[in-house]
Amino acid sequence: AQRVTQPEKLLSVFKGAPVELKCNYSYSGSPELFWYVQYSRQRLQLLLRHISRESIKGFTADLNKGETSFHLKKPFAQEEDSAMYYCALRPQGAQKLVFGQGTRLTINP
Amino acid sequence: DTAVSQTPKYLVTQMGNDKSIKCEQNLGHDTMYWYKQDSKKFLKIMFSYNNKELIINETVPNRFSPKSPDKAHLNLHINSLELGDSAVYFCASSLGGDEKLFFGSGTQLSVL
Repeated sequence: AQRVTQPEKLLSVFKGAPVELKCNYSYSGSPELFWYVQYSRQRLQLLLRHISRESIKGFTADLNKGETSFHLKKPFAQEEDSAMYYCALRPQGAQKLVFGQGTRLTINP
Repeated sequence: DTAVSQTPKYLVTQMGNDKSIKCEQNLGHDTMYWYKQDSKKFLKIMFSYNNKELIINETVPNRFSPKSPDKAHLNLHINSLELGDSAVYFCASSLGGDEKLFFGSGTQLSVL
């Protein structure tokens, strides 16, 4: 069975500090990993996907198959980064996403 | 110009009642989903429809019956509501199996 674990329910950092949201997964096949974000009073939306290897809003995430991790990082946090972040996995060939339980990130001024 | 809209936004009802949640998307997508978010914020897939055909049913009780009259709509009907059904239900859509999901704003269901 596939599982996505986000060990931190809450994460609080100061503005300008680096931030890392942890995500670990359990899946025997070749996974596709994503980060979704929900800002206050907005809908859940895709932030980035590992196959794109892109940086969105200063965030990056590297898939580490050895450690089965897909941590989300940003070198300098901004107040507008405060949101709920979900890590998600798409099993190979499946039309569904398996989500972690989410991490609420708060950036303090 | 809402992309994925679901109604109602809030639903408060008594145990044993039957209720429906509606979802519509105007993105031209052919795949629609229902996700349930429990009190611990886990988002779990319930159903997925592609071109009006059921492709995923994740061991959801048969009290839950999705209906897709066309590609743009996926409604969720729940019979004999139970306390444990209280959650936020999210509708989403995508194009084919594309992993980029577009979500609705959610329906908060409270069963008393």
